[in-house]
Amino acid sequence: TQLLEQSPQFLSIQEGENLTVYCNSSSVFSSLQWYRQEPGEGPVLLVTVVTGGEVKKLKRLTFQFGDARKDSSLHITAAQPGDTGLYLCAGSMDTGRRALTFGSGTRLQVQP
Amino acid sequence: DAMVIQNPRYQVTQFGKPVTLSCSQTLNHNVMYWYQQKSSQAPKLLFHYYDKDFNNEADTPDNFQSRRPNTSFCFLDIRSPGLGDAAMYLCATSRGLAEGVAKNIQYFGAGTRLSVL
Repeated sequence: TQLLEQSPQFLSIQEGENLTVYCNSSSVFSSLQWYRQEPGEGPVLLVTVVTGGEVKKLKRLTFQFGDARKDSSLHITAAQPGDTGLYLCAGSMDTGRRALTFGSGTRLQVQP
Repeated sequence: DAMVIQNPRYQVTQFGKPVTLSCSQTLNHNVMYWYQQKSSQAPKLLFHYYDKDFNNEADTPDNFQSRRPNTSFCFLDIRSPGLGDAAMYLCATSRGLAEGVAKNIQYFGAGTRLSVL
């Protein structure tokens, strides 16, 4: 059972379109991270959200943490081919020395 | 400059022939992780070390072992690779675990793509 479910699993869009990726769980996370992984490379951290309801912007990317800290979304405005990659959310729980829980991933392809 | 370095980037081995993948870090982080990633899927955590404490995920096969001789290096040993073990193997590090937001950010290497013939 995947603790963090991402949707959609795969998204293919044209350059200039907007999109939203969702990361959902029934568990509460103390913080949530978003990573992007380009083909043939390791994931790279984009942002960390900590507070329920928090919104962070990174150029054309907007990240939101749900009020109850169980879900998060990533919105990309005017997508570009350089946004192509695998987007991963990863949650951290309060209790104990536990590693991050990674989501199931969303593969985004932006066509020029 | 790369902070988490994996060698080699590509590794080819034969069915049943032991293979070792290596990872080194210049960040002096306490935690080192090994993930397996198959095509178009999310990384799957195999195990991690917090300093010298080894933490194995419940569903990691016995075929996979790890060694961390010092802070900087961590190795993934696959004792008898099968065709199903062909994948990208990612190493990552973090300062800590669930002790604070900044401490559990993971820094990944570029990965080693393993092929099994």
